[in-house]
Amino acid sequence: GAGVSQSPSNKVTEKGKDVELRCDPISGHTALYWYRQSLGQGLEFLIYFQGNSAPDKSGLPSDRFSAERTGGSVSTLTIQRTQQEDSAVYLCASSSQASNQPQHFGDGTRLSIL
Amino acid sequence: GQQLNQSPQSMFIQEGEDVSMNCTSSSIFNTWLWYKQEPGEGPVLLIALYKAGELTSNGRLTAQFGITRKDSFLNISASIPSDVGIYFCAGLRPGGGNKLTFGTGTQLKVEL
Repeated sequence: GAGVSQSPSNKVTEKGKDVELRCDPISGHTALYWYRQSLGQGLEFLIYFQGNSAPDKSGLPSDRFSAERTGGSVSTLTIQRTQQEDSAVYLCASSSQASNQPQHFGDGTRLSIL
Repeated sequence: GQQLNQSPQSMFIQEGEDVSMNCTSSSIFNTWLWYKQEPGEGPVLLIALYKAGELTSNGRLTAQFGITRKDSFLNISASIPSDVGIYFCAGLRPGGGNKLTFGTGTQLKVEL
């Protein structure tokens, strides 16, 4: 489809394992964002990429979290040594350019840490 | 992380009624966005506002960017059952890059 695509849609893993979440933005969008949504709460910014600029990592909650964006398109969010508090829905968004353009979201990855 | 104050937290209304919800902040924003989220899905953009005082409509939805730049409201007229969902405001701060700050959400339930 033409929207933001995320995979997997659901992920259940044991505490201590590493997980990788994938985001494929809307074609032609140069900006890509990751947010986290905990149960019953609003979205919390994690990181964003704009073109070839250094990413804004200011929202990452700990050094166990990292993200890459290869070739200016697909992005991977990695969580190492997962903890139960990492359980949340991880949402990816993209926009056509960084300055004030609306962000369009994927359906998220629901991550459950046992 | 920091979130916008959004109210009401939830609403249970009759079909056909008008709905109003708002977001407030102690800080200035230069863009306000309103999203709707349904279970198992990501937020879907409803309305984007870019200028203080701007009033924008999208079908039965109307949103305004407050004159002080510290608030925004969303109105839904003549609600229907498919309006059910969680509505989020979100804003971009001056100098904040493109990081959206989200409201805490308003859960809307429509009774037939």
